[in-house]
Amino acid sequence: LAKTTQPISMDSYEGQEVNITCSHNNIATNDYITWYQQFPSQGPRFIIQGYKTKVTNEVASLFIPADRKSSTLSLPRVSLSDTAVYYCLVGDMPGYGNKLVFGAGTILRVKS
Amino acid sequence: DAGVTQSPTHLIKTRGQHVTLRCSPISGHKSVSWYQQVLGQGPQFIFQYYEKEERGRGNFPDRFSARQFPNYSSELNVNALLLGDSALYLCASSLKTGQPGNEQFFGPGTRLTVL
Repeated sequence: LAKTTQPISMDSYEGQEVNITCSHNNIATNDYITWYQQFPSQGPRFIIQGYKTKVTNEVASLFIPADRKSSTLSLPRVSLSDTAVYYCLVGDMPGYGNKLVFGAGTILRVKS
Repeated sequence: DAGVTQSPTHLIKTRGQHVTLRCSPISGHKSVSWYQQVLGQGPQFIFQYYEKEERGRGNFPDRFSARQFPNYSSELNVNALLLGDSALYLCASSLKTGQPGNEQFFGPGTRLTVL
């Protein structure tokens, strides 16, 4: 499974756009890129998933360049409630199992 | 609609004891996975079950076992508890397995403390 590298932590202010970049140099052809959010003492929550180019939903956008060796999660106009740990995961979805491989994640702190 | 539920919420055990953790998936979901999350780290995959069959196993000792019942609920069993087993144990369910966009929904977890 492809290894991912994310910043350990990031600070932002309310109302700003936050971009968290994840490196995955060894991503395989069948791998998808998935982002999860986790609040303290809660289970992770799915944010967004993509394979290439750009994906957008109601909470975030995911930008994936053509070489797919990195991806950027973009959170528009963050609020205090967006303070959480964000995980970038890369894995073969159309595989035998659905094992998710989590790294250490990025701690995002949003300040007022 | 109810999400993934886990019981108990918190549990305190002593070394050498046995523990059983329970998970009920979202209605209609046939796949259940178990993860262990030690404080300050990301969740680590333990098991995945789909249609009552084991479909994946992480790098955990044989003291860890699991099963899935006909109603798709699941149990995680840990024998001969060690201090290092203290963690948040997470259960996740999904509709199917091995398909793109197959989002996994996590429960709130069971906090296990081994003294």
